[in-house]
Amino acid sequence: NAGVTQTPKFRVLKTGQSMTLLCAQDMNHEYMYWYRQDPGMGLRLIHYSVGEGTTAKGEVPDGYNVSRLKKQNFLLGLESAAPSQTSVYFCASSYSWLAGQGEQYFGPGTRLTVT
Amino acid sequence: GQQVMQIPQYQHVQEGEDFTTYCNSSTTLSNIQWYKQRPGGHPVFLIQLVKSGEVKKQKRLTFQFGEAKKNSSLHITATQTTDVGTYFCAGAKAGTASKLTFGTGTRLQVTL
Repeated sequence: NAGVTQTPKFRVLKTGQSMTLLCAQDMNHEYMYWYRQDPGMGLRLIHYSVGEGTTAKGEVPDGYNVSRLKKQNFLLGLESAAPSQTSVYFCASSYSWLAGQGEQYFGPGTRLTVT
Repeated sequence: GQQVMQIPQYQHVQEGEDFTTYCNSSTTLSNIQWYKQRPGGHPVFLIQLVKSGEVKKQKRLTFQFGEAKKNSSLHITATQTTDVGTYFCAGAKAGTASKLTFGTGTRLQVTL
């Protein structure tokens, strides 16, 4: 099992460009999450999904959109990138139907720089 | 909104010394989880605590969940260089099937 994979690993964007980050998991998990990690601020939840076809906003959703068309995939989109979106992005998934009751498995991360 | 704070932000110890990080939530939690992130890596799950006053041990690591379910601690006995990394607590708010709120993390540096 590959676990949770993320593509790409690194990306540099110019302000105003768009991109999509892909997260895939092969553990048949219901819950998937997108976080951003900035120095000194821990992990902040952007959006999450409790199942195929569902999405919900997290703590810092502005400027991002997500889709969960297939259970194994969770996409994070930036429509018009801004320098404030420079960060490391982590995807995670968990099994439990009660979010927070199950351990989260994290992908390796995507380092995004917006110039 | 829910806030989860950790102290200290950073600790530097000599190998063999003990280390403790504390986690405090502004709201009562249904459970708390702990994660470790090595430099350049991703968070890895360590443990989950659910019951008030719960204490769990993993070799040299001892985890506690406060009686009021608003705070937690991680204690490492006799640190080793392999313990280097950032330790995060993450809590789920009580009463809701909600997502985890991660603490700000404690970065541990261990030198010989």
